[in-house]
Amino acid sequence: EDKVVQSPLSLVVHEGDTVTLNCSYEVTNFRSLLWYKQEKKAPTFLFMLTSSGIEKKSGRLSSILDKKELSSILNITATQTGDSAIYLCAVDSILITQGGSEKLVFGKGTKLTVNP
Amino acid sequence: EPEVTQTPSHQVTQMGQEVILRCVPISNHLYFYWYRQILGQKVEFLVSFYNNEISEKSEIFDDQFSVERPDGSNFTLKIRSTKLEDSAMYFCASSEEASGNSYNEQFFGPGTRLTVL
Repeated sequence: EDKVVQSPLSLVVHEGDTVTLNCSYEVTNFRSLLWYKQEKKAPTFLFMLTSSGIEKKSGRLSSILDKKELSSILNITATQTGDSAIYLCAVDSILITQGGSEKLVFGKGTKLTVNP
Repeated sequence: EPEVTQTPSHQVTQMGQEVILRCVPISNHLYFYWYRQILGQKVEFLVSFYNNEISEKSEIFDDQFSVERPDGSNFTLKIRSTKLEDSAMYFCASSEEASGNSYNEQFFGPGTRLTVL
């Protein structure tokens, strides 16, 4: 059974702190790993990682994939209260025999709270 | 900017009743998905839909569930006889046609919160 595990499940920090969120996975037909931010409702896309060791960066957020260890981390530097959200890790599993349809397997998420 | 829309935002129903959750995917997208998230739990894949048929479905997607694209714009999820444990947030998502090895981002709708009493 495909599985994605995130840690920690929740994290409380102060503004300005740096945080590291972890994700590990066991899936068949792995194609990519994705990070989403979920605030009130729908997940919004942050990063997509396919190649091991290549860092993706967007402002204060960065992420890297380790295919050997089947894991990824999401770093947030100089956290702000607006970073408070649930961060979801998902693995994209493509169904090659079925028209390229993709299935996302999500972890439970890390709930990040940034206090002023 | 195009977005996935869902209606209603909140649906309350009695156990045993049928519900239809509606989604309007982004217009040029060809792949459609339903996910659900029970309160406090992870987002779970339900079903993917392409070329007017189901591509894959999870164990959750049993005979009580069905999907349909009735008119070329809407994508619906029907639950025939709701159970208490169907209470969850249901997200619709859509993506462009897959090409080679490139990932096509799934765009999520805002969700429909289903409460079964």
